[in-house]
Amino acid sequence: SQQGEEDPQALSIQEGENATMNCSYKTSINNLQWYRQNSGRGLVHLILIRSNEREKHSGRLRVTLDTSKKSSSLLITASRAADTASYFCATDASGANSKLTFGKGITLSVRP
Amino acid sequence: DAGITQSPRHKVTETGTPVTLRCHQTENHRYMYWYRQDPGHGLRLIHYSYGVKDTDKGEVSDGYSVSRSKTEDFLLTLESATSSQTSVYFCAISEGTRFYNEQFFGPGTRLTVL
Repeated sequence: SQQGEEDPQALSIQEGENATMNCSYKTSINNLQWYRQNSGRGLVHLILIRSNEREKHSGRLRVTLDTSKKSSSLLITASRAADTASYFCATDASGANSKLTFGKGITLSVRP
Repeated sequence: DAGITQSPRHKVTETGTPVTLRCHQTENHRYMYWYRQDPGHGLRLIHYSYGVKDTDKGEVSDGYSVSRSKTEDFLLTLESATSSQTSVYFCAISEGTRFYNEQFFGPGTRLTVL
C-alpha cells in the first residue's frame, strides 16, 4: 500500500521558474523524506523533515510539512535543466522499524 | 552510489531459473533493503535486514528470499524466476536510527525474465 502520494504526476516548467511538488500521506509519521532519481540511476536523498518541524531549507530546496493535513511540499527555486528528474516522497511511519514507504513519484522536466 | 555496489547490473534469464542478486556496502550500515521499481508502482519494498541473519518481509516478498551472512552483503534470490519479476531492483542501506534513517541507494540491477 502506498503511504505517500505525490501530486502532480508530471510537471513541465521553464528554466528559472520555481517547481512545487506535493505529497500527501495517511498515517502518523516520524519523518518525511524527499528523494531525486535521474534517469537510469538510483535514488538520491535530498532532504528529511521530522514530524516536529514545519519547514526546512537546503540550498534551492524548501520543504514544508503540515502534520494536521498530512501533507508536505517540495519547492525547487530557480530551476535548472539539471533538475530534470523524478522526485519521490517517502514516509517513515511511527513504529515502522526504519522502513520507508515511497510514493510513485513526480516527473519534473525543466526546459532550457 | 558511493559505498554501495550491486551485481550484476544487467541480467537476462529464462522463466523457471534461479537468480541471485548481490548488494555490497562499505559503509557498515545496519539496515539493508531490497526494492523493485516498476512503471506505475513506484518503489516497493521486497525484504529488508536489520542485522546479520536478521531479515523481514516487505510489501512484495512472495517469490523472493534473502540472506545476510555478513554486515556488508545482502543477497536477493528469486528461486524460480517468472516474467512478473522483470523489473529494476535497487538495494539501499541506512543507519536506521529513529531520526537519521535516510536511505542510500545502489545503482540498480535491470532484470529481464523471458
